Amino acid sequence: QVHLQESGPGLVEPSQTLSLTCTVSGGSISSDNYYWSWIRQPAGKRPEWIGRIYTGESESTSYSPSLRSRVTISADRSKNQFSLRLTSVAATDTAVYYCVTYNWRDYYFQSWGQGTLVTVSS
Amino acid sequence: QSALTQPPSVSGFPGQSVTISCTGTRVDIGNYNRVSWYQQSPGTAPKLIIYGVKNRPSGVPDRFSGSKSGNTASLTISGLQAEDEADYYCSSYTSGNTLAVFGGGTKLTVL
Repeated sequence: QVHLQESGPGLVEPSQTLSLTCTVSGGSISSDNYYWSWIRQPAGKRPEWIGRIYTGESESTSYSPSLRSRVTISADRSKNQFSLRLTSVAATDTAVYYCVTYNWRDYYFQSWGQGTLVTVSS
Repeated sequence: QSALTQPPSVSGFPGQSVTISCTGTRVDIGNYNRVSWYQQSPGTAPKLIIYGVKNRPSGVPDRFSGSKSGNTASLTISGLQAEDEADYYCSSYTSGNTLAVFGGGTKLTVL
């Protein structure tokens, strides 16, 4: 079973850039079994899919239409990590951010990191 | 893409059964057998309990079962136990540019 661990600042100022990294263990990020995804969940609300990266034979990304203009997801195969970058953040971006594997063959989110709370505030 | 609709809360006594509904549209639940369910206890990440409408990952008790009819999926928990008290979220694959949509969550209280 793949293990995921998020890391990054817990506090970001408004209009700045949120950057998080997910370290993968127990499996290779080059595996074609998964989409490597980011999901966020504001307190008391539903999870929201942010985007994903596929690092199989060829690399591809896909993002939520509502966040596409501000989001970049990238991967570092040498470190077995993938990262999230969200620009121009506002208070509405405050949430617990999870890195998650998505089983694209059977269409479900399989392994979740423990999550990291990011607060946008000055 | 529209989100999925779940009842805010359900409750039941130990040993009873409860069913949580999840209503979508023909662009998600109605058109695909790609519904999954997640259990989330306070302060923890969601945990997969059902995928592909009715399949259980290894380690999930058979007290948890899933089904679908039309645009609505359902999660049934039989023989309720105190440890089942949690929030439950449904999710579905959807056509279009979003990988998946989630329901608003249902809080299960074991009385």
